[in-house]
Amino acid sequence: GAVVSQHPSRVICKSGTSVKIECRSLDFQATTMFWYRQFPKQSLMLMATSNEGSKATYEQGVEKDKFLINHASLTLSTLTVTSAHPEDSSFYICSVTRAGLMNTEAFFGQGTRLTVV
Amino acid sequence: AQSVSQHNHHVILSEAASLELGCNYSYGGTVNLFWYVQYPGQHLQLLLKYFSGDPLVKGIKGFEAEFIKSKFSFNLRKPSVQWSDTAEYFCAVTNAGGTSYGKLTFGQGTILTVHP
Repeated sequence: GAVVSQHPSRVICKSGTSVKIECRSLDFQATTMFWYRQFPKQSLMLMATSNEGSKATYEQGVEKDKFLINHASLTLSTLTVTSAHPEDSSFYICSVTRAGLMNTEAFFGQGTRLTVV
Repeated sequence: AQSVSQHNHHVILSEAASLELGCNYSYGGTVNLFWYVQYPGQHLQLLLKYFSGDPLVKGIKGFEAEFIKSKFSFNLRKPSVQWSDTAEYFCAVTNAGGTSYGKLTFGQGTILTVHP
């Protein structure tokens, strides 16, 4: 069964509005979750590392004020795309690794297709 | 910085043909290597992984990959593909151990289409 649940799977929003995407770890506690973005015909690019109880760590070039990440519990991280614009349209995917284990695989959510019109 | 390169964007095969998807990475340290598969409409699933030990790794569904350290390569192989292998395949790398073990660097992906 699914280890990671991501919601919604698809969302269409108007330009200027905000969209929240949820990522839930179903099988284990996750002190760290990861958010990726995939543009059409391109690879997945890491956006940020979500840390439970502390601030997220953003990759270079990713605007932290635009992509707000909240990791309030050991099983839930949220990504909010604020003041969305058409160029934010993309496929957003979260992943989870088991807390306290190094050299372990990542489990992925099913992704969220965001379309900004 | 790490980078991963997959040689083919789209591979088209007939059933029973052999498959090899190339993957090369650049990173100076010790890495963990993965192949993930994404079937149409589904989430990324792990095919196989290499952390250490035998460089020939066997995964699910008859896939295998060989880590050749001197060539910085981790090519994916399957002797005989099936129509159900139609999917997109991603090679990924992460630092072994440390605090960035969950941060994956992905290749561009290879779309495999298998004709019955």
